[in-house]
Amino acid sequence: EEQLLESGGGLVQPGGSLRLSCAASGFTFSSYAMSWVRQAPGKGLEWVSAISGSGGRTHYADSVKGRFTISRDNSKNTLSLQMNSLRAEDTALYYCAKGRYASNWYAAFDIWGQGTVVTVSS
Amino acid sequence: QSALTQPASVSGSPGQSITISCTGTSSDVGGYNYVSWYQHYPGKAPKLMIYEVSNRPSGVSNRFSGSESGNTASLTISGLQAEDEADYYCSSYTTNSTLVFGGGTKLTVL
Repeated sequence: EEQLLESGGGLVQPGGSLRLSCAASGFTFSSYAMSWVRQAPGKGLEWVSAISGSGGRTHYADSVKGRFTISRDNSKNTLSLQMNSLRAEDTALYYCAKGRYASNWYAAFDIWGQGTVVTVSS
Repeated sequence: QSALTQPASVSGSPGQSITISCTGTSSDVGGYNYVSWYQHYPGKAPKLMIYEVSNRPSGVSNRFSGSESGNTASLTISGLQAEDEADYYCSSYTTNSTLVFGGGTKLTVL
């Protein structure tokens, strides 16, 4: 069974850093693009970042560009999101999502994790 | 990039059909065949229902269908069932090489 399990969320002060991880199982991890999608409390879904199957191409929403870095370790079937200079508006439930293809990351997300909560507050 | 426009809520009775619209621009919905629809129960992982405008993943009921006209995509659910009550989100690729979601639609089955 294809599964994604996020971890690393928590409470952090404004300006602080946090690293999220997503452990994948049940599929050939390196064959698919991966993304992070978040949902702020009471709000809708917001795409955050994506990475190709090989890890060679990355993409970011304007709201996180320059502050967040997406990466993957295909040998460990793990996706990561390094979040720096965190702001209150980054408070959200962060989902890891599997793309349908290796390179067209934007085509659709066919497997999602349960999410990990990030709270940015002093 | 502004969010795609969806109605905040729609409702229907069991057995009826409903349609949820998703309006964007020629820079997103109207410019690419990469519109997806997701079903989301609060507290659960979202589920892909439609991809590339009108394709259904394996395992998704054929009561769900997608279409597009101009800058507006639509999700139609026929034979409405109580279990269909959830939040629905559309998404589209954009000319900025990003992905934008709609604001979400809460479906109530009366």
